[in-house]
Amino acid sequence: SYELTQPPSVSVSPGQTARITCSGDTLPKHYAYWYQQKPGQAPVLVIYKDTERLSGIPERFSGSSSGTTVTLTISGVQAEDEADYYCQSADSSGTYVFGTGTKVTVL
Amino acid sequence: QVQLQESGPGLVKPSETLSLTCTVSGGSISGYYWSWIRQPPGKGLEWIGYIYHSGSTNYNPSLKSRVTISVDTPKNQFSLKLTSVTAADTAVFYCARVRAVAEPFDQWGQGTLVTVSS
Repeated sequence: SYELTQPPSVSVSPGQTARITCSGDTLPKHYAYWYQQKPGQAPVLVIYKDTERLSGIPERFSGSSSGTTVTLTISGVQAEDEADYYCQSADSSGTYVFGTGTKVTVL
Repeated sequence: QVQLQESGPGLVKPSETLSLTCTVSGGSISGYYWSWIRQPPGKGLEWIGYIYHSGSTNYNPSLKSRVTISVDTPKNQFSLKLTSVTAADTAVFYCARVRAVAEPFDQWGQGTLVTVSS
């Protein structure tokens, strides 16, 4: 099986930009997806196919991809963005894997 | 809007079998893949496996020997069985929907905590 690695934590002041990376050898071949999870809640899909933002997700959330790394960017961070964020991918056989998760703290 | 709801015992003894059911409402179980995901307290997400409405399955290789996922289409339900549980299997278990293989989990249940303890 493969792995997706994220930084354990990212801290950012309100209004600044948070960047969360996700690295994995299979990412050049398979799409990545991003989920936001707030305490006591189920994850919510925010970015799909590396860069597409779901309907209803604020424009300050964006995704990008370069080689073996995908990045979730939150521009103009707000207090409500404090949460855990997970990347996820799946290979062509349908084996899914989640990233290790990143806790975003708004200072 | 489809809704998913997990149900089952919140406490399971070590070495026994964990059984959970996910009930799908507001839409048909047909035409989609249905998955189980777990999250140990304070830790990350782990995909357990999925089932298509026809009954075909795919499991996480690390859990494959202990996992069975089944579907009951008339009841709009699918279920998880995890055998020979230990304290390491204590987790919040989520059921979720996938539109197609390798697509993301676009609808989730609220999750249910299962504790493995004697």
